[in-house]
Amino acid sequence: NAGVTQTPKFQVLKTGQSMTLQCAQDMNHNSMYWYRQDPGMGLRLIYYSASEGTTDKGEVPNGYNVSRLNKREFSLRLESAAPSQTSVYFCASRVTGTSTDTQYFGPGTRLTVL
Amino acid sequence: SQQGEEDPQALSIQEGENATMNCSYKTSINNLQWYRQNSGRGLVHLILIRSNEREKHSGRLRVTLDTSKKSSSLLITASRAADTASYFCATAGYSGAGSYQLTFGKGTKLSVIP
Repeated sequence: NAGVTQTPKFQVLKTGQSMTLQCAQDMNHNSMYWYRQDPGMGLRLIYYSASEGTTDKGEVPNGYNVSRLNKREFSLRLESAAPSQTSVYFCASRVTGTSTDTQYFGPGTRLTVL
Repeated sequence: SQQGEEDPQALSIQEGENATMNCSYKTSINNLQWYRQNSGRGLVHLILIRSNEREKHSGRLRVTLDTSKKSSSLLITASRAADTASYFCATAGYSGAGSYQLTFGKGTKLSVIP
């Protein structure tokens, strides 16, 4: 049981390049999330997917697109990277129940845009 | 926009002492959660307190919630060097767009000196 996995761990891009960040979870969770973490800013929600086949914008969606490929996988795409997108990106999945509401986070992708 | 705001931003204590972190938020919530982040790693869920609860314990953790003051505190008793990490509060509730989201504060960086 790997939990939430993310690839790659590190990436350096030039301004204008594109890339896709991959995320997968093996816990059979319906909801998945993409956050970015900048120094002194905490985590900010980029996009989320409440269930397979649905995606919605979060607080900071501009410059990003997402795909919920299936229940396990939720990818984040930068079409034309900008230096302002230099950040650490975290994927999470969520489980809820009568006594629980927990997000499980991946290890993060550290992205630098030059 | 950030919902939770932690205080203090940084805290340094000796091993064995208690550590208290505070969180304030602005809007109504369904529950409030605390997460820990070790340097360079993803966040790990610590404890959840629902809006109708006032206090909750889990091992050396004690969380209180005062919905009238829109504030919460996390107490770590008998701290250990391994507790050195950043701690984030996160409020769960409905956004303006009607979606259920978790909104994170900027975190408290705790250093426990052996």
